[in-house]
Amino acid sequence: DAGVTQSPTHLIKTRGQQVTLRCSPKSGHDTVSWYQQALGQGPQFIFQYYEEEERQRGNFPDRFSGHQFPNYSSELNVNALLLGDSALYLCASSWGTDGYTFGSGTRLTVV
Amino acid sequence: GQQLNQSPQSMFIQEGEDVSMNCTSSSIFNTWLWYKQDPGEGPVLLIALYKAGELTSNGRLTAQFGITRKDSFLNISASIPSDVGIYFCAGQPPAGGTSYGKLTFGQGTILTVHP
Repeated sequence: DAGVTQSPTHLIKTRGQQVTLRCSPKSGHDTVSWYQQALGQGPQFIFQYYEEEERQRGNFPDRFSGHQFPNYSSELNVNALLLGDSALYLCASSWGTDGYTFGSGTRLTVV
Repeated sequence: GQQLNQSPQSMFIQEGEDVSMNCTSSSIFNTWLWYKQDPGEGPVLLIALYKAGELTSNGRLTAQFGITRKDSFLNISASIPSDVGIYFCAGQPPAGGTSYGKLTFGQGTILTVHP
């Protein structure tokens, strides 16, 4: 049973560019959350998707947007990249009150 | 962004020693979770706590959900080298609130175990 799958694993982008990160949830999970983890910090909640709609959002600017597809997979889009957007981006999936399962993340470096 | 107060920030211990770390919050949580994260990986769930006062074990790990619902601790007994990693606490607010579904994480405890 595959867990949460994220792609790509690593990415280097230039300031001002746009990036799309992808996540496939664990089988049976219908809710996807995205987190940003800066070096040496705990993950910070970006937003959560359920039934193809954004259900919750953290304190992130509108440059961060997302989408959930009918098969429950999800994308995180970041526009106008800043150096400070460099981080590990984690996707977590869940179903009901089950604990969240995290993927291995996408390491984004903005230069 | 908001984070829980997790302590200690780092620990250096000898193999075989016991370890204790804790998290406190100014907000009430309905669920406390403890995760371990290895380099280059995502957090892996160790223990989930769903009820105030609950004490739960997973092998050598024991965690408790504080009575006030604003704190939790994790103990690791008889540490071994593979316990090395970063441990995070995370809290989930009550259902029905505006933040339900959002996990708030502590800053992590870096554990080093010397053989």
